[in-house]
Parts: sequence; structure tokens; C-alpha cells
Amino acid sequence: EVQLVESGGGLVQPGGSLRLSCAASGFTFSSYAMHWVRQAPGKGLEYVSAISSNGGSTYYANSVKGRFTISRDNSKNTLYLQMGSLRAEDMAVYYCAREGLGEDSPFDYWGQGTLVTVSS
Amino acid sequence: EIVLTQSPDFQSVTPKEKVTITCRASQSIGSSLHWYQQKPDQSPKLLIKYASQSISGVPSRFSGSGSGTDFTLTINSLEAEDAATYYCHQSSSLPWTFGQGTKVEIK
Repeated sequence: EVQLVESGGGLVQPGGSLRLSCAASGFTFSSYAMHWVRQAPGKGLEYVSAISSNGGSTYYANSVKGRFTISRDNSKNTLYLQMGSLRAEDMAVYYCAREGLGEDSPFDYWGQGTLVTVSS
Repeated sequence: EIVLTQSPDFQSVTPKEKVTITCRASQSIGSSLHWYQQKPDQSPKLLIKYASQSISGVPSRFSGSGSGTDFTLTINSLEAEDAATYYCHQSSSLPWTFGQGTKVEIK
């Protein structure tokens, strides 16, 4: 069974940092590109970042570029999101999602999400 | 950035009624359009991929159609468990984007 379990969320002050993790199991993690998607309270889904299966390529939404870093450790089957210079508008539930295999594949599995609260 | 616009934003529907949600892309995305269902306090779940391809385990009352810029999600004979917010998503070009969501309420 495919499982994605996020952790690392919590309360952080504006300007602070936080590292999210997403532990994957039930599939060959190193074969799949992975993504982070967030959802502010009561709002819709916002695309955040992506990383290729071997970690060689990354992508960031303009809203987080220069502040967030996506990475992965295929030996530990874990995806990360290092978040810095956090702002109130970064407050959201952060989901990790697996991109399916094949061109332009959708997100076929999502984690349960971890809440990041940015407040003084 | 490709903008996806869903309509309507909200729909209140009686059980067994048919529901139609549309998603319009700001430029052609071929069939790289997918639909998700998100129930309260849950993560999104893939419903339809590549505009019209069904997903294993998803009830057959859910179907999708369209290509290019105009897409439709149809729920035939709505059931109470279908109360949720539905999102379209394009994977044609980065940044991948989502529609704003359509909330379906059961009357």
C-alpha cells in the first residue's frame, strides 16, 4: 500500500524556518518525481515545488522561490521541504504528492498533510 | 502561467441529481487535465486523469470530458457521500496549476 506521511509542521514566527519531511512507503520511491502542494485555511490548492526522481531537477513556484528548498534522500525514502523567511501567507497545510509515471501524469497519491502556522 | 477557471464556485444539489462542473484553461493544454475530490479535513483524491480516463476504485458515476481549453466533470446520480470540493489541475506546463475549486453541497 502506498503511503506518504508528512511531519515537521508547527508554529513558527515570521522570518523563521522549518523543515518538513514526507516519509514514503509501499512503492519504489526513487522511481517517482515528488511534489509539495499547500492549502491555506479555507482556501484552494496551491502548487509549491517539485523534484525529479533522482533529485537532479527542481522547480519552485514564484511565491516561494529563494526561500524554500526541496530535496530528497532516496536511501531513506524521504522527501523534504526546507522553508525559510516564513511569512504569514505561507501558513497552510502542506501536502506531499507523488507524480504518477508517464508524461504529464497527475498526482496519484497524497499525504495527509502537515499544518504550518506562521504567527508571532 | 496557465490559469484554470472552474464554474460554478458552489452548487447545492439533491441526491440522484446530475452535477456538471466545468474547467476552462487560459491556453490549450491538450488532455493534461485531471480532477480531484477533497472532502472536509481530508487530502485530495484523484478522480479522473487525462480529462476522461477513469481511476480504479472511483465510482463509475464520475466521468470527465474535454480537450484543449474546455473540460467537464460530470457526476451522474449524486450520492450523499459526494459532498466535497472538486478541483481541476493541469500538468501541461510548469507551474502546474489548480482551479479555484467547486464546492458541492447536498440539499
